[in-house]
Amino acid sequence: GNSVTQMEGPVTLSEEAFLTINCTYTATGYPSLFWYVQYPGEGLQLLLKATKADDKGSNKGFEATYRKETTSFHLEKGSVQVSDSAVYFCALDSGGSNYKLTFGKGTLLTVNP
Amino acid sequence: GAGVSQTPSNKVTEKGKYVELRCDPISGHTALYWYRQSLGQGPEFLIYFQGTGAADDSGLPNDRFFAVRPEGSVSTLKIQRTERGDSAVYLCASSLSGVGREQYFGPGTRLTVT
Repeated sequence: GNSVTQMEGPVTLSEEAFLTINCTYTATGYPSLFWYVQYPGEGLQLLLKATKADDKGSNKGFEATYRKETTSFHLEKGSVQVSDSAVYFCALDSGGSNYKLTFGKGTLLTVNP
Repeated sequence: GAGVSQTPSNKVTEKGKYVELRCDPISGHTALYWYRQSLGQGPEFLIYFQGTGAADDSGLPNDRFFAVRPEGSVSTLKIQRTERGDSAVYLCASSLSGVGREQYFGPGTRLTVT
């Protein structure tokens, strides 16, 4: 079945540091890949997505590229801010006619001023 | 516009009791999903509705769990004979259908079984 392996946290960075959160996946077919974010006290919201190989998703300075050859979708940001402190979840859907999501365990990011 | 809403936000119940959790999806979204999130884990899929029918219920852990969506909008997740292991945050999401469609999540219902 489908699975997502995500970099273990927590991750603590200083403001303006470079961020990478690794994500690899196992899937049959051609899934779409997602990063969801959960800010403190808020619900899950989509950060970015990519629907096919070599696509790059980007939003709010974050980027991730769908790498089919390495089955990866690593999240990067060049300069993090305190407001980026949150839990980040990598996810994939099952494609076909059912787009249920399989999530990784989540990575807690804390950015200090 | 209004997002996905879930009620109640918190539910405390005793072991063995029956509970119902409600989800109001975004208007016009035909797909509706239920997930369960335990502490320190990512959400896990429970059931998927396309319109009124449960298209995939493979994530329901056992026959104590059941969900309905009778008119293709509001959905109710029902748990019979609750156990302490059922304690978790239950999330509902809705979306339009199609490749790479974003799922919009509700705030969740935190269920605690004592």
